[in-house]
Amino acid sequence: SQELEQSPQSLIVQEGKNLTINCTSSKTLYGLYWYKQKYGEGLIFLMMLQKGGEEKSHEKITAKLDEKKQQSSLHITASQPSHAGIYLCGADGALQGAQKLVFGQGTRLTINP
Amino acid sequence: DVKVTQSSRYLVKRTGEKVFLECVQDMDHENMFWYRQDPGLGLRLIYFSYDVKMKEKGDIPEGYSVSREKKERFSLILESASTNQTSMYLCASSLWDRGRSTEAFFGQGTRLTVV
Repeated sequence: SQELEQSPQSLIVQEGKNLTINCTSSKTLYGLYWYKQKYGEGLIFLMMLQKGGEEKSHEKITAKLDEKKQQSSLHITASQPSHAGIYLCGADGALQGAQKLVFGQGTRLTINP
Repeated sequence: DVKVTQSSRYLVKRTGEKVFLECVQDMDHENMFWYRQDPGLGLRLIYFSYDVKMKEKGDIPEGYSVSREKKERFSLILESASTNQTSMYLCASSLWDRGRSTEAFFGQGTRLTVV
């Protein structure tokens, strides 16, 4: 089965600093999703990447999928307290025509003022 | 807005009880999922369904069953709750579009404690 490995597992950064979270797959990614979760709540969809080399941005968050489609990165520029939370990458591991969406273990981001 | 609603935010049940977690989505999505989330383990897929009355086991189905009698509703059943099923449970749904899934939308989660 498809496995996703996220690094680092936790990250503490000073407000205003840049940071990067990585997501590596054991298999080729056909759809890679980034989500954010506030403590104790559901997941909020951030971005989806499908094509090798694809890059998407939303406000200060940029996500990239490498050409081989086995690694993705999430980059936050000039971090703010509102960026704090758990970031999860998810992958579409289509199984016999049905989706089986799997996730990495998450990266807990703390922003220090 | 897409809405996925889980019936309870917090639930406390006794060991051995039969527990029902309900999830309803209002976007006519084909796919629905149940995950549990534990510290250090991330989200683990319990069961998913791609159509009414259809279900597939995820990675950790033991001790759970599911029911999908209507397209909008997907229920997770703990046949005999045990303390190791204490966890955060998350429901999600997604659309099946031209052979691929769109992004999944999540409910707010149910924090279940089994005592």
